Amino acid sequence: AQRVTQPEKLLSVFKGAPVELKCNYSYSGSPELFWYVQYSRQRLQLLLRHISRESIKGFTADLNKGETSFHLKKPFAQEEDSAMYYCALTEVIQGAQKLVFGQGTRLTINP
Amino acid sequence: ETGVTQSPTHLIKTRGQQVTLRCSSQSGHNTVSWYQQALGQGPQFIFQYYREEENGRGNFPPRFSGLQFPNYSSELNVNALELDDSALYLCASTQMGGGYTFGSGTRLTVV
Repeated sequence: AQRVTQPEKLLSVFKGAPVELKCNYSYSGSPELFWYVQYSRQRLQLLLRHISRESIKGFTADLNKGETSFHLKKPFAQEEDSAMYYCALTEVIQGAQKLVFGQGTRLTINP
Repeated sequence: ETGVTQSPTHLIKTRGQQVTLRCSSQSGHNTVSWYQQALGQGPQFIFQYYREEENGRGNFPPRFSGLQFPNYSSELNVNALELDDSALYLCASTQMGGGYTFGSGTRLTVV
């Protein structure tokens, strides 16, 4: 089964410092990878997907197939970045396309 | 354009009872997926519905069942509730191949 691992449950950095949230995956084939974010009292929402190669809210993520990683980075953290972050990939099962999520990393930006 | 709405927002049930959770998909989305998110975990795929048929299922027992209606709204039914069924249940809608839009979830507590 495909798997997504986020090794850090909690991550705390100071405002203005660089941020890197780690994500590793196991997948046979070419995965489609995502980062989802959940701000306090809000619903889960898409932050970015690797195929679009967009930078959203200053975040970027590069797919490294050799290391099977899709780490999320931002050069200068802002307080509003405090949230729960989930890395996910899509897997096709029985004709359905499902998301496989990691356990999530709670990011706290200290003032 | 309306988003995904779920009802109820919170629910408390007794072990052994049955529960029905509801989801209205985003306008234009014909596919609905359900996820279970236990405390401290990432969402886990339960099943997906497309054109009123279940077209993919995760590792959940048959007492988890669902329906999709002609207007693409959906229900998740859980029979013979167990304490471990306590979780946040998320509904996500999409057009096949498109991005997922998540609802705010239903928090189910089984006592």
